[in-house]
Amino acid sequence: NAGVMQNPRHLVRRRGQEARLRCSPMKGHSHVYWYRQLPEEGLKFMVYLQKENIIDESGMPKERFSAEFPKEGPSILRIQQVVRGDSAAYFCASSLTGGDQPQHFGDGTRLSIL
Amino acid sequence: QKEVEQDPGPLSVPEGAIVSLNCTYSNSAFQYFMWYRQYSRKGPELLMYTYSSGNKEDGRFTAQVDKSSKYISLFIRDSQPSDSATYLCAMSMGTNAGKSTFGDGTTLTVKP
Repeated sequence: NAGVMQNPRHLVRRRGQEARLRCSPMKGHSHVYWYRQLPEEGLKFMVYLQKENIIDESGMPKERFSAEFPKEGPSILRIQQVVRGDSAAYFCASSLTGGDQPQHFGDGTRLSIL
Repeated sequence: QKEVEQDPGPLSVPEGAIVSLNCTYSNSAFQYFMWYRQYSRKGPELLMYTYSSGNKEDGRFTAQVDKSSKYISLFIRDSQPSDSATYLCAMSMGTNAGKSTFGDGTTLTVKP
């Protein structure tokens, strides 16, 4: 999983604070996906981005969550005014092209809300 | 009903056993089928990636897809303790539909 880099690996926030999760895709990959994993559950899709564009955000909560993938730099998943229910592992994946190419995952950011 | 259902496990087998992991799905638009292995506190690692029906073999791993029955399987031959992990099946519609839909995972323990 060394190809997709996520940081921080662990993030602790108090209720009401903001959380910023970063993801650098594998070299040459321009498609990024964010997933959330709750304990004992599979991964749930949140958002799919290409450089400077959001392609599919059907899995994103309507409020407090946003994502971006700027022309330069990593993709950012931002959670504003965090609540206890946001505690989860957030995984980023990247692929060479969309849809018909396999996704490769990072080791995730484990977000804990106090 | 979930789009992807995976045998929940947990599964415990002796070293050297053949392991069968299974998923069913309801969306006939799924075209690409994946199996990932996830160790504790790590990200999913892609094991197998197949398109449409048929079998694909890679070392001790064989992925099988039956689109008519909406059923996929992963077989592990000569299982090793290092195979102990959670296995996730995933599917996507391909082309511009980037997201993958995952099963909830099956935890496998291979005992020496």
